[in-house]
Amino acid sequence: KAGVTQTPRYLIKTRGQQVTLSCSPISGHRSVSWYQQTPGQGLQFLFEYFSETQRNKGNFPGRFSGRQFSNSRSEMNVSTLELGDSALYLCASSSELSGANVLTFGAGSRLTVL
Amino acid sequence: QQQVKQSPQSLIVQKGGISIINCAYENTAFDYFPWYQQFPGKGPALLIAIRPDVSEKKEGRFTISFNKSAKQFSLHIMDSQPGDSATYFCAASLRGQNFVFGPGTRLSVLP
Repeated sequence: KAGVTQTPRYLIKTRGQQVTLSCSPISGHRSVSWYQQTPGQGLQFLFEYFSETQRNKGNFPGRFSGRQFSNSRSEMNVSTLELGDSALYLCASSSELSGANVLTFGAGSRLTVL
Repeated sequence: QQQVKQSPQSLIVQKGGISIINCAYENTAFDYFPWYQQFPGKGPALLIAIRPDVSEKKEGRFTISFNKSAKQFSLHIMDSQPGDSATYFCAASLRGQNFVFGPGTRLSVLP
């Protein structure tokens, strides 16, 4: 069974640009969550999507947005990039059938903002 | 109230020793407490988890101890091995959603 796939794995952007990250969840998983991981802050919750609807949202500015498609694949977008947005962005999927308690993470997309 | 505190920030243990990582939470509504292990270049992976109606759970060399009244839980790694060197995150969730993670503990097990 394929795991959670995130693309791209690495990317470099400059301030003011925007970026789109993609996440393909485990087949059959309908919940996709996004986290920002930085050395000082640990894993910070961005948002969660379930059946194409945003179910929960963390405390991030509106520059951070996401969406989920009918096949459960998800994208997150960050507009007007700032230096502080440099981080590892992790996607995790979970299955309602398993009680939705087990998050399976992808390897992440490492974003560097110059 | 949504915060999960974790200590220590880093830990160095000799091979064969016991590694202990502690976490504390405030929200008594949390109903699931997992531990995740992350190796460099990888995403976190579920290691072991516990629900608040159980005081201890053991899986191989890994044990979670849970103290509901103190709102604390800890991970014990017995007979620590160099392959256990990783970053460990405790977390708490409510009804399978709203996962809150601790800041992480970087464990180094010396050979």
